[in-house]
Amino acid sequence: GENVEQHPSTLSVQEGDSAVIKCTYSDSASNYFPWYKQELGKGPQLIIDIRSNVGEKKDQRIAVTLNKTAKHFSLHITETQPEDSAVYFCAARNYGQNFVFGPGTRLSVLP
Amino acid sequence: GAGVSQSPSNKVTEKGKDVELRCDPISGHTALYWYRQSLGQGLEFLIYFQGNSAPDKSGLPSDRFSAERTGGSVSTLTIQRTQQEDSAVYLCASSLWPKFIFGPGTRLTVL
Repeated sequence: GENVEQHPSTLSVQEGDSAVIKCTYSDSASNYFPWYKQELGKGPQLIIDIRSNVGEKKDQRIAVTLNKTAKHFSLHITETQPEDSAVYFCAARNYGQNFVFGPGTRLSVLP
Repeated sequence: GAGVSQSPSNKVTEKGKDVELRCDPISGHTALYWYRQSLGQGLEFLIYFQGNSAPDKSGLPSDRFSAERTGGSVSTLTIQRTQQEDSAVYLCASSLWPKFIFGPGTRLTVL
């Protein structure tokens, strides 16, 4: 079955700097890769996703890149702000299969 | 509704009591999932319903846990004879390929 690893487990950056979180997956059949942001006391919220036929996707300060050959995908946040502080989860999925989530990254943006 | 709703938002119970947690998924979503999240931890898969297929119960931690989904919509997670280690946030998510949307969660505290 699918296995998703996520690094780093914690990340601290200065406000205005960039943050990068990387995930690797094991099942080459996985074709959908979402990222979720979980703020304290709330459920995870989908912030960006990418399908396997695309190498990169951007949405304002957030971007996701996918390397299918190496089986890894990354979340990039530019110009970080204090409100970006949260736990971020990646996931991988193939149609008809269960979602498999990474263990999460706690991002702290220091003012 | 516009999103996944869960009730109650908070539940405090005494050890040994039974509890029921409810999830109302997004209308039209064919799949429904339950996850458990202990304090500061990742997302632990519990059970998955897809259409009229038999549910995937592989994540249920013991036979004290059960779930049903009525009419392909609302789901109830039942925990019998609650234990202190059951204290956690229980998250429901509904899905229509490929999107996967979480509810706000129910925080369960077992005294």
